[in-house]
Amino acid sequence: GEDVEQSLFLSVREGDSSVINCTYTDSSSTYLYWYKQEPGAGLQLLTYIFSNMDMKQDQRLTVLLNKKDKHLSLRIADTQTGDSAIYFCAESSSGGSYIPTFGRGTSLIVHP
Amino acid sequence: DTEVTQTPKHLVMGMTNKKSLKCEQHMGHRAMYWYKQKAKKPPELMFVYSYEKLSINESVPSRFSPECPNSSLLNLHLHALQPEDSALYLCASSQDPGDDEQFFGPGTRLTVL
Repeated sequence: GEDVEQSLFLSVREGDSSVINCTYTDSSSTYLYWYKQEPGAGLQLLTYIFSNMDMKQDQRLTVLLNKKDKHLSLRIADTQTGDSAIYFCAESSSGGSYIPTFGRGTSLIVHP
Repeated sequence: DTEVTQTPKHLVMGMTNKKSLKCEQHMGHRAMYWYKQKAKKPPELMFVYSYEKLSINESVPSRFSPECPNSSLLNLHLHALQPEDSALYLCASSQDPGDDEQFFGPGTRLTVL
């Protein structure tokens, strides 16, 4: 299987919360990231979490990490149409020279 | 200046052409990266430059030739490409090699005819 897995699509109504899930296999992962990519654009780092943390909150974004289950989630509160994008989960470790390994991306579609 | 810029934004080239992609950052970052991203796929690492020296080449075909003329610039020279090389080419930089945060440019959309 792939090193980082995520579901490919998520559809939510504007104003609802979105939760994007990710699982990874490398138990030595040090950093876990969420990137956002809008159509035709590059990647924007939204947030990242150290592997010794279990939660990080930044305005509308909440990252939860379950290190035992190697599960990472990104919750977006009060989702807006401008949040429609592809969200990539990624992990890095010293064994990989801290180069991120990306998941396939989750397409978030926000409808009115 | 907290940006990574890439030129051109779009590029169409024939299989016999020679072209170059350019990437620039003025954040004083010492590591720079080239990624290739096909549609609906995650970015794939191609090259890493650390302190202006090539440190990682992910078995990229020689028709892609990277160059780092100075600490702010990264080029990707293209020659004799194939249609399957059509993709979004992303440049990124980080403060140090292995730093936790990479800053990505907007990418160059390359089409090979």
